[in-house]
Amino acid sequence: NAGVTQTPKFQVLKTGQSMTLQCAQDMNHNSMYWYRQDPGMGLRLIYYSASEGTTDKGEVPNGYNVSRLNKREFSLRLESAAPSQTSVYFCASSAQRWDTGELFFGEGSRLTVL
Amino acid sequence: LAKTTQPISMDSYEGQEVNITCSHNNIATNDYITWYQQFPSQGPRFIIQGYKTKVTNEVASLFIPADRKSSTLSLPRVSLSDTAVYYCLVVLNYGGSQGNLIFGKGTKLSVKP
Repeated sequence: NAGVTQTPKFQVLKTGQSMTLQCAQDMNHNSMYWYRQDPGMGLRLIYYSASEGTTDKGEVPNGYNVSRLNKREFSLRLESAAPSQTSVYFCASSAQRWDTGELFFGEGSRLTVL
Repeated sequence: LAKTTQPISMDSYEGQEVNITCSHNNIATNDYITWYQQFPSQGPRFIIQGYKTKVTNEVASLFIPADRKSSTLSLPRVSLSDTAVYYCLVVLNYGGSQGNLIFGKGTKLSVKP
């Protein structure tokens, strides 16, 4: 059982380049999330999708776009990468239940923008 | 949005009990408190969740006072492998969906031999 799978695990970009981080979950979860983690900043929510067909902004959405392709997949796109977007990106998913906050995280994607 | 406040770091020694307190003064009636553990180069992992009083599982205990404005994660007899960052998270409930889950900066626990 793979859980939450992120690709790629590592990526180096030049300023201005674009790329898409892919995330897929096989737990039939309704909700999916993208976080970024910078040293000393903890985890910050970029975008989330409470259910298929819906997306909403989190704390730090500027410079990113997302697509909830289907129930399994939630992608994060950087249209014009900037050095400030150098970070580790985590995708997560959760079942849509009112009384649980259990998130399942992927292993992370380390992005460096030069 | 319910904001959480935790100590930035804590030190302990093997075999000791560690208590990490999280403050969440404006927690809402239907919100739950959840704790995660994160090792370097890995995604966070769910530890425990509670609403009030005390919850215990095989990993930790969670103590929540009656006013629910704080919570304490208790790790019994820590070992070196418990060295990690611990996050307190208040689950924001928007009409039954998960909504906007916000993490704080976490507490970096260092366990020494």
